[in-house]
Amino acid sequence: EAQVTQNPRYLITVTGKKLTVTCSQNMNHEYMSWYRQDPGLGLRQIYYSMNVEVTDKGDVPEGYKVSRKEKRNFPLILESPSPNQTSLYFCASSLVRGLGEQYFGPGTRLTVT
Amino acid sequence: GENVEQHPSTLSVQEGDSAVIKCTYSDSASNYFPWYKQELGKRPQLIIDIRSNVGEKKDQRIAVTLNKTAKHFSLHITETQPEDSAVYFCAASSGIGNEKLTFGTGTRLTIIP
Repeated sequence: EAQVTQNPRYLITVTGKKLTVTCSQNMNHEYMSWYRQDPGLGLRQIYYSMNVEVTDKGDVPEGYKVSRKEKRNFPLILESPSPNQTSLYFCASSLVRGLGEQYFGPGTRLTVT
Repeated sequence: GENVEQHPSTLSVQEGDSAVIKCTYSDSASNYFPWYKQELGKRPQLIIDIRSNVGEKKDQRIAVTLNKTAKHFSLHITETQPEDSAVYFCAASSGIGNEKLTFGTGTRLTIIP
Protein backbone atom coordinates (compact mmCIF):
# COMPACT_ATOMS: atom_id res chain seq x y z
CA GLU A 1 0.00 0.00 0.00
CA ALA A 2 1.34 3.42 -1.03
CA GLN A 3 1.72 5.54 2.06
CA VAL A 4 3.57 8.13 4.10
CA THR A 5 4.24 7.17 7.70
CA GLN A 6 5.29 9.31 10.65
CA ASN A 7 6.50 8.41 14.11
CA PRO A 8 5.67 9.09 16.81
CA ARG A 9 2.05 10.09 16.34
CA TYR A 10 1.90 11.83 19.71
CA LEU A 11 4.72 13.24 21.79
CA ILE A 12 4.87 15.27 24.97
CA THR A 13 8.31 16.56 25.86
CA VAL A 14 10.04 19.25 27.87
CA THR A 15 11.81 22.39 26.74
CA GLY A 16 15.33 21.76 25.46
CA LYS A 17 15.16 17.98 25.09
CA LYS A 18 16.21 17.05 21.56
CA LEU A 19 13.74 15.04 19.55
CA THR A 20 13.34 13.57 16.08
CA VAL A 21 10.12 12.92 14.18
CA THR A 22 10.61 10.34 11.46
CA CYS A 23 8.92 10.36 8.06
CA SER A 24 9.06 7.60 5.49
CA GLN A 25 7.39 7.08 2.10
CA ASN A 26 7.26 3.97 -0.07
CA MET A 27 6.26 5.62 -3.36
CA ASN A 28 9.78 6.45 -4.60
CA HIS A 29 8.88 10.15 -4.51
CA GLU A 30 11.66 12.64 -5.03
CA TYR A 31 10.00 15.54 -3.23
CA MET A 32 9.31 15.56 0.49
CA SER A 33 8.24 18.35 2.80
CA TRP A 34 7.40 19.15 6.41
CA TYR A 35 4.52 21.38 7.49
CA ARG A 36 3.19 22.55 10.80
CA GLN A 37 -0.49 23.21 11.33
CA ASP A 38 -1.68 25.74 13.89
CA PRO A 39 -5.24 27.02 14.45
CA GLY A 40 -5.99 30.02 12.28
CA LEU A 41 -2.65 29.80 10.48
CA GLY A 42 -3.26 26.87 8.14
CA LEU A 43 -0.36 24.74 6.99
CA ARG A 44 3.04 26.37 6.93
CA GLN A 45 6.05 24.81 5.22
CA ILE A 46 9.06 24.21 7.43
CA TYR A 47 11.57 22.52 5.10
CA TYR A 48 11.44 20.69 1.83
CA SER A 49 13.70 18.35 -0.10
CA MET A 50 13.88 18.00 -3.86
CA ASN A 51 15.97 14.82 -3.69
CA VAL A 52 18.62 13.01 -1.67
CA GLU A 53 21.05 15.48 -0.04
CA VAL A 54 19.03 18.44 -1.40
CA THR A 55 17.09 20.37 1.23
CA ASP A 56 15.94 23.96 1.58
CA LYS A 57 14.06 26.21 3.95
CA GLY A 58 10.37 26.78 3.77
CA ASP A 59 8.52 29.67 5.40
CA VAL A 60 9.11 28.80 9.08
CA PRO A 61 12.46 26.95 9.39
CA GLU A 62 13.70 28.50 12.65
CA GLY A 63 14.34 25.92 15.35
CA TYR A 64 14.19 22.92 12.99
CA LYS A 65 16.67 20.79 11.08
CA VAL A 66 16.18 18.13 8.44
CA SER A 67 18.27 15.62 6.55
CA ARG A 68 17.71 13.52 3.44
CA LYS A 69 20.26 10.73 3.33
CA GLU A 70 17.91 8.26 1.69
CA LYS A 71 15.13 8.88 -0.79
CA ARG A 72 12.44 7.34 1.38
CA ASN A 73 13.23 9.07 4.69
CA PHE A 74 13.03 12.71 5.72
CA PRO A 75 13.35 13.16 9.50
CA LEU A 76 12.53 16.42 11.27
CA ILE A 77 14.87 17.31 14.13
CA LEU A 78 14.16 19.74 16.95
CA GLU A 79 17.51 20.23 18.68
CA SER A 80 16.17 22.38 21.53
CA PRO A 81 12.36 22.39 21.46
CA SER A 82 10.48 25.34 22.88
CA PRO A 83 6.78 25.73 23.80
CA ASN A 84 6.10 27.73 20.62
CA GLN A 85 6.89 24.58 18.64
CA THR A 86 3.83 22.88 20.12
CA SER A 87 1.89 22.04 16.99
CA LEU A 88 0.55 19.38 14.64
CA TYR A 89 3.24 18.33 12.17
CA PHE A 90 2.67 16.76 8.78
CA CYS A 91 5.16 15.19 6.44
CA ALA A 92 4.24 15.02 2.76
CA SER A 93 5.70 13.66 -0.45
CA SER A 94 5.02 14.07 -4.13
CA LEU A 95 6.41 12.68 -7.33
CA VAL A 96 7.57 15.99 -8.74
CA ARG A 97 8.39 19.10 -6.73
CA GLY A 98 5.34 21.06 -5.58
CA LEU A 99 3.34 20.06 -8.63
CA GLY A 100 0.87 17.25 -8.44
CA GLU A 101 -0.71 15.70 -5.40
CA GLN A 102 1.18 15.85 -2.13
CA TYR A 103 0.51 12.76 -0.04
CA PHE A 104 0.39 13.60 3.62
CA GLY A 105 1.37 11.45 6.54
CA PRO A 106 -1.04 10.94 9.46
CA GLY A 107 0.44 13.79 11.49
CA THR A 108 2.42 14.07 14.71
CA ARG A 109 0.96 16.04 17.58
CA LEU A 110 3.80 17.55 19.58
CA THR A 111 3.45 19.26 22.93
CA VAL A 112 6.45 21.03 24.46
CA THR A 113 6.07 22.00 28.11
CA GLY B 1 7.59 35.08 -1.10
CA GLU B 2 4.12 33.91 -1.97
CA ASN B 3 1.17 34.99 0.17
CA VAL B 4 -2.20 33.24 -0.10
CA GLU B 5 -5.31 34.71 1.48
CA GLN B 6 -8.45 32.62 1.89
CA HIS B 7 -12.03 33.66 2.66
CA PRO B 8 -14.27 33.03 4.43
CA SER B 9 -12.74 31.37 7.47
CA THR B 10 -16.05 29.68 8.29
CA LEU B 11 -19.00 28.88 6.07
CA SER B 12 -22.31 27.23 6.84
CA VAL B 13 -24.70 26.19 4.07
CA GLN B 14 -27.90 24.20 3.91
CA GLU B 15 -27.59 20.71 2.52
CA GLY B 16 -28.19 20.82 -1.21
CA ASP B 17 -27.06 24.43 -1.59
CA SER B 18 -23.77 25.54 -3.15
CA ALA B 19 -20.63 26.66 -1.35
CA VAL B 20 -17.93 28.96 -2.68
CA ILE B 21 -14.50 29.53 -1.14
CA LYS B 22 -12.18 32.19 -2.53
CA CYS B 23 -8.41 32.63 -2.48
CA THR B 24 -6.03 35.29 -3.72
CA TYR B 25 -2.30 34.93 -4.30
CA SER B 26 0.50 37.43 -4.62
CA ASP B 27 3.20 35.81 -6.79
CA SER B 28 2.35 36.16 -10.47
CA ALA B 29 4.82 33.35 -11.22
CA SER B 30 2.69 30.79 -9.36
CA ASN B 31 1.20 28.33 -11.81
CA TYR B 32 -0.29 25.46 -9.83
CA PHE B 33 -3.25 25.78 -7.49
CA PRO B 34 -4.46 22.75 -5.52
CA TRP B 35 -7.31 22.44 -3.05
CA TYR B 36 -7.06 20.12 -0.07
CA LYS B 37 -9.82 18.80 2.18
CA GLN B 38 -9.13 17.92 5.79
CA GLU B 39 -11.76 16.06 7.74
CA LEU B 40 -11.69 16.24 11.51
CA GLY B 41 -8.65 14.42 12.89
CA LYS B 42 -7.49 13.32 9.45
CA ARG B 43 -4.69 14.30 7.10
CA PRO B 44 -5.22 16.78 4.23
CA GLN B 45 -6.13 15.17 0.92
CA LEU B 46 -6.15 16.66 -2.56
CA ILE B 47 -9.63 17.09 -4.01
CA ILE B 48 -8.94 19.12 -7.15
CA ASP B 49 -6.17 21.18 -8.70
CA ILE B 50 -5.72 23.56 -11.61
CA ARG B 51 -2.78 24.84 -13.59
CA SER B 52 -2.40 28.37 -14.83
CA ASN B 53 -3.02 27.51 -18.47
CA VAL B 54 -6.59 26.47 -17.62
CA GLY B 55 -9.42 28.76 -16.51
CA GLU B 56 -11.78 26.18 -15.06
CA LYS B 57 -11.78 22.53 -14.06
CA LYS B 58 -14.68 20.35 -12.90
CA ASP B 59 -14.90 17.00 -11.18
CA GLN B 60 -18.47 15.95 -10.48
CA ARG B 61 -19.82 18.36 -7.83
CA ILE B 62 -16.54 20.21 -7.41
CA ALA B 63 -15.13 22.91 -9.66
CA VAL B 64 -12.25 25.35 -9.47
CA THR B 65 -11.95 28.60 -11.41
CA LEU B 66 -8.81 30.65 -11.90
CA ASN B 67 -8.45 34.30 -12.85
CA LYS B 68 -4.75 34.89 -13.51
CA THR B 69 -5.18 38.58 -14.20
CA ALA B 70 -6.81 39.21 -10.84
CA LYS B 71 -4.69 36.54 -9.13
CA HIS B 72 -7.57 34.76 -7.52
CA PHE B 73 -9.07 31.30 -7.67
CA SER B 74 -12.19 29.77 -6.20
CA LEU B 75 -13.59 26.40 -5.15
CA HIS B 76 -17.23 25.70 -5.95
CA ILE B 77 -19.12 22.80 -4.40
CA THR B 78 -22.63 22.19 -5.71
CA GLU B 79 -25.42 20.08 -4.19
CA THR B 80 -23.61 19.97 -0.87
CA GLN B 81 -23.88 16.87 1.30
CA PRO B 82 -23.11 16.26 5.00
CA GLU B 83 -19.85 14.51 4.07
CA ASP B 84 -18.63 17.78 2.54
CA SER B 85 -18.27 19.17 6.08
CA ALA B 86 -14.52 19.67 6.59
CA VAL B 87 -11.77 22.26 6.50
CA TYR B 88 -10.71 23.24 3.00
CA PHE B 89 -7.30 24.69 2.16
CA CYS B 90 -6.27 26.41 -1.03
CA ALA B 91 -2.60 26.59 -2.01
CA ALA B 92 -0.32 28.10 -4.61
CA SER B 93 2.91 26.65 -5.89
CA SER B 94 5.82 29.01 -6.38
CA GLY B 95 9.60 29.03 -6.36
CA ILE B 96 11.93 28.60 -9.30
CA GLY B 97 10.87 25.01 -9.86
CA ASN B 98 7.52 25.07 -8.07
CA GLU B 99 9.26 23.66 -5.03
CA LYS B 100 7.31 25.68 -2.49
CA LEU B 101 3.63 25.21 -1.69
CA THR B 102 2.00 28.03 0.26
CA PHE B 103 -1.34 27.29 1.87
CA GLY B 104 -4.21 29.57 2.78
CA THR B 105 -5.44 29.65 6.36
CA GLY B 106 -8.38 27.33 5.71
CA THR B 107 -12.19 27.47 5.56
CA ARG B 108 -14.29 25.40 7.93
CA LEU B 109 -17.34 24.34 5.92
CA THR B 110 -20.37 23.07 7.80
CA ILE B 111 -23.29 21.53 5.94
CA ILE B 112 -26.56 21.95 7.81
CA PRO B 113 -28.92 18.97 7.30
